[in-house]
Amino acid sequence: GDSVTQMEGPVTLSEEAFLTINCTYTATGYPSLFWYVQYPGEGLQLLLKATKADDKGSNKGFEATYRKETTSFHLEKGSVQVSDSAVYFCALTLNSGGSNYKLTFGKGTLLTVNP
Amino acid sequence: DGGITQSPKYLFRKEGQNVTLSCEQNLNHDAMYWYRQDPGQGLRLIYYSQIVNDFQKGDIAEGYSVSREKKESFPLTVTSAQKNPTAFYLCASSPRAELWQPQHFGDGTRLSIL
Repeated sequence: GDSVTQMEGPVTLSEEAFLTINCTYTATGYPSLFWYVQYPGEGLQLLLKATKADDKGSNKGFEATYRKETTSFHLEKGSVQVSDSAVYFCALTLNSGGSNYKLTFGKGTLLTVNP
Repeated sequence: DGGITQSPKYLFRKEGQNVTLSCEQNLNHDAMYWYRQDPGQGLRLIYYSQIVNDFQKGDIAEGYSVSREKKESFPLTVTSAQKNPTAFYLCASSPRAELWQPQHFGDGTRLSIL
């Protein structure tokens, strides 16, 4: 079945460090890919998305490129801030017959950024 | 401001008791979803609804029930048949044009067993 695998956390960085959170997927067909962020005590927010190969999603300094050849969608940020501390989820939906189908999530990666 | 409101934030259930979690949205979205989040796990889909008066089971619907009598409301009942209900429950919504791409979730309800 379809699945998403994220690097296990927790990830601890110092402020202004470079961030990479790896995400790979297994899917039949052509998925759309997403990164969601969950701040402490809150629900999830859509951070960025990419709907086809080689697309780059970006938001708030975060970027991820849809790499079909490596089935990956790694999240990157050049300089993290304390306020980026959160849990990050990679997710996918499949497009079947012109419609998207059920969002499948990875297990999440906890990021802690220290001042 | 538009958004999704879940209540209560914390809920305690006694053995053999049914409890209902509220989810209300004022975004005029057609689709609504319920997810369960357990520590170290991704989100798992319980139920979803694409339109009023219609809903479908997700991956882990056993022990749960829902209704969708109004567009803005999608309450989830955790029944006594759900043997391991302790979890964080998240509600989400999306417009029909962005089905399965919820932009925002509610802030969740944390359910615990007494």
